[in-house]
Amino acid sequence: AQSVAQPEDQVNVAEGNPLTVKCTYSVSGNPYLFWYVQYPNRGLQFLLKYITGDNLVKGSYGFEAEFNKSQTSFHLKKPSALVSDSALYFCAVRGRLNYGGATNKLIFGTGTLLAVQP
Amino acid sequence: GAVVSQHPSWVICKSGTSVKIECRSLDFQATTMFWYRQFPKQSLMLMATSNEGSKATYEQGVEKDKFLINHASLTLSTLTVTSAHPEDSSFYICSARDPETSYEQYFGPGTRLTVT
Repeated sequence: AQSVAQPEDQVNVAEGNPLTVKCTYSVSGNPYLFWYVQYPNRGLQFLLKYITGDNLVKGSYGFEAEFNKSQTSFHLKKPSALVSDSALYFCAVRGRLNYGGATNKLIFGTGTLLAVQP
Repeated sequence: GAVVSQHPSWVICKSGTSVKIECRSLDFQATTMFWYRQFPKQSLMLMATSNEGSKATYEQGVEKDKFLINHASLTLSTLTVTSAHPEDSSFYICSARDPETSYEQYFGPGTRLTVT
C-alpha cells in the first residue's frame, strides 16, 4: 500500500537551532515527494519537491529536504529555526498506479506541528 | 507562483440546506482540480478529483450525491454540499494542477463550513 508516515505529531525547537521534521514513504517505483506548510485556518503552501536528480532539495523560506532512497525518507530541515516557522507541516507523495505510472493524487502524511520557542 | 482562490472563506448554514463552494485558478488553466476535507488537527482527506468537462471521480466512501462537484471551465470547480448536516462541518480545501508544472498542486486557502 502507498503511504506516508510522519512519526512525530509535534516537534519543539528553540529559535536559532536547526530543525528536522521527519517523513518516510512507501510507494512503488521512483517517488515524487513534496513538503507543504499550513498556517492556522489557511490552505497549504508548497515548500519544495523531489522529482529526480540531486538528493538535497532546496525550497522556500530556507527549508531543504534530503531524499534518501535506501531509508525511504524525505526529512525536512532548516539550519536555523524562526518563530514564524511555527506551523503544521505535511509530507506528501504522488500516488502510483498498478502498472507503475504516476497518478495526479497526492497521499499526505498526518502532519507535524512545528513549535519554535523564542 | 500559481494562485488558487476559494469562496467563501467561511460559511455557516442551517441543517438541511445546501452550500456551494467555489475554487478558481487565477492565473493558469487547470484541467484537474482536487477537493479535500480536513478535520481539526488531522491530515487532508481527498474527496474527489474534478476533471474539466467530465464527471468527477470520487474516493471510496465519499457520497457523490451529497458532495456534488462541477468543473465547467478550466478555471472553476464548485463543490456543493447538499442537505448539510452538522457532521459535514469541516475545513474544505481545493487544489489545482497546473499542466505547465505537471507535478505540482496549488492549494486554495480553504473554506470553513459550520452546519448548525
